Amino acid sequence: GAVVSQHPSRVICKSGTSVKIECRSLDFQATTMFWYRQFPKQSLMLMATSNEGSKATYEQGVEKDKFLINHASLTLSTLTVTSAHPEDSSFYICSASRHQSYNSPLHFGNGTRLTVT
Amino acid sequence: QQQVKQSPQSLIVQKGGISIINCAYENTAFDYFPWYQQFPGKGPALLIAIRPDVSEKKEGRFTISFNKSAKQFSLHIMDSQPGDSATYFCAAITAKDDYKLSFGAGTTVTVRA
Repeated sequence: GAVVSQHPSRVICKSGTSVKIECRSLDFQATTMFWYRQFPKQSLMLMATSNEGSKATYEQGVEKDKFLINHASLTLSTLTVTSAHPEDSSFYICSASRHQSYNSPLHFGNGTRLTVT
Repeated sequence: QQQVKQSPQSLIVQKGGISIINCAYENTAFDYFPWYQQFPGKGPALLIAIRPDVSEKKEGRFTISFNKSAKQFSLHIMDSQPGDSATYFCAAITAKDDYKLSFGAGTTVTVRA
């Protein structure tokens, strides 16, 4: 069964509003979670690394004020897309692992399809 | 800039045939190479992975071949089935980059019945 749950699976919002996406590790604690975005027929692009109890680390080119990440507990990370615009429409995916090592595979959520109208 | 180059972009194979996907990398710090399978509208799922000290790893119908000197690795799907139709991503990880995944561009495999 799924070990990483992502919610919602789909969301449609109006331009200028904010949307929150949740990522939960179901049966393990994750000190680190990753957020990706994926455009149609493209690969996953890492947006940021979410660290429990500290600030997220953003990849180059990702606006930290637009994509707010909160890792409030060892099982929950949230991504908030603020003041969304149509160009933010994408598939957002989170991942988590029990611990950072080669023997601990990354488990991915089932993604959130965001459509901004 | 993609650190892992993957080809082909797409392939079509008949049921029972062999699907072959190739990947290449430059960063010699990479030391773990997983493959992911992704169905439309879903997140990727780990399929199989290999360390560079192993030249081949097989799990069921899926085999990874690894050529460390050439910095290349490939996925072979034997006896391909329609249910294998998906997008496959190769990836690479190094502890020196906090275990972040570097993904290839992906290969869409279509298995015709």
